Amino acid sequence: SAVISQKPSRDICQRGTSLTIQCQVDSQVTMMFWYRQQPGQSLTLIATANQGSEATYESGFVIDKFPISRPNLTFSTLTVSNMSPEDSSIYLCSERTGGTEQFFGPGTRLTVL
Amino acid sequence: QKEVEQDPGPLSVPEGAIVSLNCTYSNSAFQYFMWYRQYSRKGPELLMYTYSSGNKEDGRFTAQVDKSSKYISLFIRDSQPSDSATYLCAMSANDYKLSFGAGTTVTVRA
Repeated sequence: SAVISQKPSRDICQRGTSLTIQCQVDSQVTMMFWYRQQPGQSLTLIATANQGSEATYESGFVIDKFPISRPNLTFSTLTVSNMSPEDSSIYLCSERTGGTEQFFGPGTRLTVL
Repeated sequence: QKEVEQDPGPLSVPEGAIVSLNCTYSNSAFQYFMWYRQYSRKGPELLMYTYSSGNKEDGRFTAQVDKSSKYISLFIRDSQPSDSATYLCAMSANDYKLSFGAGTTVTVRA
């Protein structure tokens, strides 16, 4: 599997601000995804980051709140906009190349005050 | 009803014991089944991947899938303190979308 890094690893933000999370993969991958892992809950898929086009969002997630970019096959960003304390969570990117297996990055731990 | 059910535990066992983890699911379309291990403050790490029903063994780890019962299991033999982590089951139909269980926290006592 590819090596995935995320920046920042953690952040504490104020209500109403926005944070952009970066995901870098060390090789070209077919698909990239963004997940949210809220405290004590399972991972939930936010969207699929499509290279060169708009992301595909899952039910309950919208582009205005979670804009995503994927300018090439190794990099993607997720922005959490107009944050509230309910957005406090771990945000994870993952990649899939070939089979169904997905491999995850280390995550970004976000706390919104 | 959640699509994937997993007992969150916590589960505490002595070193050397067999750890038994399981998940049930409701979507009969699921064909791909995975177990991830997540250490504290780390991302999930893929442990086992199986397609359809049957068993798969990898070292101390054995994954079982019973599609007729919609039930999957993970067994860890000769457990070690380094196995202490949260274990997540995940599954998928014939597309990319993974559905996760809530995770079971396991502590192996030295």
